[in-house]
Amino acid sequence: GQNIDQPTEMTATEGAIVQINCTYQTSGFNGLFWYQQHAGEAPTFLSYNVLDGLEEKGRFSSFLSRSKGYSYLLLKELQMKDSASYLCAVKNQGGKLIFGQGTELSVKP
Amino acid sequence: GAGVSQSPRYKVTKRGQDVALRCDPISGHVSLYWYRQALGQGPEFLTYFNYEAQQDKSGLPNDRFSAERPEGSISTLTIQRTEQRDSAMYRCASSLEVGANEKLFFGSGTQLSVL
Repeated sequence: GQNIDQPTEMTATEGAIVQINCTYQTSGFNGLFWYQQHAGEAPTFLSYNVLDGLEEKGRFSSFLSRSKGYSYLLLKELQMKDSASYLCAVKNQGGKLIFGQGTELSVKP
Repeated sequence: GAGVSQSPRYKVTKRGQDVALRCDPISGHVSLYWYRQALGQGPEFLTYFNYEAQQDKSGLPNDRFSAERPEGSISTLTIQRTEQRDSAMYRCASSLEVGANEKLFFGSGTQLSVL
């Protein structure tokens, strides 16, 4: 089966850096995604990792360690608009994409 | 269309009635996924299609739930004999290709309320 764990909520200060962790167990691994979901809206794609290492995209970076079943999303120079739920999702070899429960990030001034 | 379109946006029904939720993916998108999302939770996988073929339906909760995509474009999720516990946001998503790295584009969802 598949299991994805991430913290339920986090709080950070505007301008700071925050790291959102995700651990997973899956039957066959075919990539890990991060999505952002603002309240009342649909999830939108942030990043994709399939190889070990760090992928950087502007203020957002995502890291993957396949041997540890671990990923994190790093958000730098936090802005108020970054307040949202951040969803970790894992794709198995059959193409099924499973989401974690999401981490609700609150950015305070 | 410009994005993934779902209809109706809201559906209120009485317990025991059947409902059909429609998803119109982005034109040309090959893969189509259905999810259910409760408030404060991540999307829960229901089923997905590549073209018209249903690849995995392991997330459908029971045999009251079914989905089809007969021509490889529009998809319908049907819930028979609805129950109050079926109340949730139902989201559809599509991706351009069949591939591990293909990102999903989500629709605005159908909010289902079963009274």
